[in-house]
Amino acid sequence: ETGVTQSPTHLIKTRGQQVTLRCSSQSGHNTVSWYQQALGQGPQFIFQYYREEENGRGNFPPRFSGLQFPNYSSELNVNALELDDSALYLCASSLDGGGGPQYFGPGTRLLVL
Amino acid sequence: DAKTTQPPSMDCAEGRAANLPCNHSTISGNEYVYWYRQIHSQGPQYIIHGLKNNETNEMASLIITEDRKSSTLILPHATLRDTAVYYCAYNYQLIWGAGTKLIIKP
Repeated sequence: ETGVTQSPTHLIKTRGQQVTLRCSSQSGHNTVSWYQQALGQGPQFIFQYYREEENGRGNFPPRFSGLQFPNYSSELNVNALELDDSALYLCASSLDGGGGPQYFGPGTRLLVL
Repeated sequence: DAKTTQPPSMDCAEGRAANLPCNHSTISGNEYVYWYRQIHSQGPQYIIHGLKNNETNEMASLIITEDRKSSTLILPHATLRDTAVYYCAYNYQLIWGAGTKLIIKP
């Protein structure tokens, strides 16, 4: 059974650029959630995708957008990067939306200069 | 502002039980409580979850109060490898706080 994978592991961008982060869900899971974790803080929910549809969104601006593909892998896109977007971005997969546990990938560390 | 509240840090002697408390007073009746731990900024590792009843698995036990406003994670025999930041969270969107840094001492 393959766990959740994310790419890239690290990324450096400059302010104003755009970035795409990728996530492959655990085998058999149809739900992907994305979180942002600033240093020393708990993760903050960005949004969740269930069967290719957005299934909830946290308090993040529209320049954070996502996509889920038919194979349930997912992308997180961030436009017009700001310095405060520097964080660890975590992807988690689960089964059928809410209720069950979410299993996290190793994360992508994004640094915006 | 809905989130969980946990002590920022705790120590525990190796081999003893570690009891980690969490307050989640804004939880709704149908929202689960989840516990995760995170080591060195790796992805959080799922430990256990529950709704109303106490739960136990191979890693830990979860005690949820009757009013569901707080819970306690119990690691029955802590080892050095249990040193990590422990988070409780609730709701399918996983609303979390800042976590507890648990240090296991030999």
